[in-house]
Amino acid sequence: AQSVSQHNHHVILSEAASLELGCNYSYGGTVNLFWYVQYPGQHLQLLLKYFSGDPLVKGIKGFEAEFIKSKFSFNLRKPSVQWSDTAEYFCAVVERNAGNMLTFGGGTRLMVKP
Amino acid sequence: NAGVTQTPKFQVLKTGQSMTLQCAQDMNHEYMSWYRQDPGMGLRLIHYSVGAGITDQGEVPNGYNVSRSTTEDFPLRLLSAAPSQTSVYFCASTIAWGTEAFFGQGTRLTVV
Repeated sequence: AQSVSQHNHHVILSEAASLELGCNYSYGGTVNLFWYVQYPGQHLQLLLKYFSGDPLVKGIKGFEAEFIKSKFSFNLRKPSVQWSDTAEYFCAVVERNAGNMLTFGGGTRLMVKP
Repeated sequence: NAGVTQTPKFQVLKTGQSMTLQCAQDMNHEYMSWYRQDPGMGLRLIHYSVGAGITDQGEVPNGYNVSRSTTEDFPLRLLSAAPSQTSVYFCASTIAWGTEAFFGQGTRLTVV
């Protein structure tokens, strides 16, 4: 079965630390990839997306992600986190032209200490 | 810009009660979906629709019904609520297959 794995369930960082959240997927076909963020008490918002082209994608609020096809990975990075980045982060994948909806990973809860 | 609107935001049900979670979008998106969010499990797809009159099951459809009579609305019905349906429910809409989903604010449902 197709799946999306986020290996870090909880991450605690101090402000200014660097962040990398892992995301791996098991789809065999061509995929579109997304990272969503959910701030406490809010709905999911799109951070960034990858459809094709440059595998290094830049999103909002200084986040970026790198698509490595050979590793089936789409890791999220930020060079220096802020307290306001405290949130839950979800990786999502959809197989292009397969008629499926988004499949989400289990989420990573990030806490940034001031 | 309203986007995707869900009502209610909070709901407490007794086991066996029925209710409908409402979802409406004003972006003229053909594709709509319902997810439930549970701790550590991410979002799991319940049902989805690719257009008015067309619905299909997702990963966890049992205990839920949907219908899509208009492009704008996609209600989710719980026919006989169970404690296992305690969750946060999100409605989403998408303009086309494989593109980003726009989410509503969510409905926190507790079944006692």
